Amino acid sequence: NAGVTQTPKFRILKIGQSMTLQCTQDMNHNYMYWYRQDPGMGLKLIYYSVGAGITDKGEVPNGYNVSRSTTEDFPLRLELAAPSQTSVYFCASSQDRPSGANVLTFGAGSRLTVL
Amino acid sequence: EDQVTQSPEALRLQEGESSSLNCSYTVSGLRGLFWYRQDPGKGPEFLFTLYSAGEEKEKERLKATLTKKESFLHITAPKPEDSATYLCAVQAGGSARQLTFGSGTQLTVLP
Repeated sequence: NAGVTQTPKFRILKIGQSMTLQCTQDMNHNYMYWYRQDPGMGLKLIYYSVGAGITDKGEVPNGYNVSRSTTEDFPLRLELAAPSQTSVYFCASSQDRPSGANVLTFGAGSRLTVL
Repeated sequence: EDQVTQSPEALRLQEGESSSLNCSYTVSGLRGLFWYRQDPGKGPEFLFTLYSAGEEKEKERLKATLTKKESFLHITAPKPEDSATYLCAVQAGGSARQLTFGSGTQLTVLP
């Protein structure tokens, strides 16, 4: 059981380039999330999905796009990379619970540097 | 707007020296308060969920408590392997089940 798998682990981009961060989960979770983590800051939600075909913006969506064509996959697309997008990106998933309090399972993270 | 503030930002303890981490929060309709542990270069790992004021959860040397305004993570007789960043998060009502995270407390336990 791999949990949440993110690729790549590290990537350096030039300003203006585009790339996709991949995220796959094998737990059949219906909720998936993308967060970014900057030094000294809390995790900030970029986009989330409550199921295949359904996505919505989080707190900091500008400069990013997502899609959710399957339950397992939730890729994050960076268009026209900017230095402000230098960060560590975490994908997470969760299963909806009757209590409404969802425990997130996180991937190991993808460290992105934009120069 | 939901807010989470953690203190202190960093804490250094000697092995065996007990202490507490604080998480103050404001949220509309708390569904749950979460504690996560994050080791360097890794993703956060779930520790506890607390649902209502007065609730307590324990795991080995860690004990989490909850009031209507804050949560504490008590560390009893810590060991060097407890060194990590501890993150607090709250989940409000709503369909997205979104979490709001604090910036974390970086704990270092010296042998």
